[in-house]
Amino acid sequence: GNSVTQMEGPVTLSEEAFLTINCTYTATGYPSLFWYVQYPGEGLQLLLKATKADDKGSNKGFEATYRKETTSFHLEKGSVQVSDSAVYFCALKGTGGYNKLIFGAGTRLAVHP
Amino acid sequence: ETGVTQSPTHLIKTRGQQVTLRCSSQSGHNTVSWYQQALGQGPQFIFQYYREEENGRGNFPPRFSGLQFPNYSSELNVNALELDDSALYLCASSGSSGGAYEQYFGPGTRLTVT
Repeated sequence: GNSVTQMEGPVTLSEEAFLTINCTYTATGYPSLFWYVQYPGEGLQLLLKATKADDKGSNKGFEATYRKETTSFHLEKGSVQVSDSAVYFCALKGTGGYNKLIFGAGTRLAVHP
Repeated sequence: ETGVTQSPTHLIKTRGQQVTLRCSSQSGHNTVSWYQQALGQGPQFIFQYYREEENGRGNFPPRFSGLQFPNYSSELNVNALELDDSALYLCASSGSSGGAYEQYFGPGTRLTVT
């Protein structure tokens, strides 16, 4: 079945450092891929998405490229801020069927001044 | 435009009891999905409602049930609560049951079972 694997956290960075959070997936066909962010005490917010191979999703300085050949969708940001501290979830929706999201376990990011 | 709202925010129940959680979908959305997020884990899909019918279900027992109303709001009911049901329950609405339509999440209901 479909699944998502994320790098374990926590990831601890200094402000202005480069961020990479790895995400790989297992799915048949061409799933749609998403990154969601969860700030403390809140629900999930969509950060970015990509719906086909080689698409790049981007938002608020974050980027991720849908790599079919490596089944990956790594999240990157060139310069993190303290306000980026949150839990990041990689997710996929399989081809066809209803709009069900399958999430990874999440990666906690802590950014220090 | 009103976002997805959920009630209550927090809830404490005793093992064996029943609970009802509520969700109001975003304006114009006809599909509601429910997810369970245990502490430190990613959300797990419970089920989805589209135009008042359940059209998809994850690996959850029948004691998890739901409803969707004509205004597309929804309820999640859990009977015979177990300690492992303690989690954050998230509701998400979208404009369709298929495709890569974005799901908009509510803030969640934190359920504690003692």
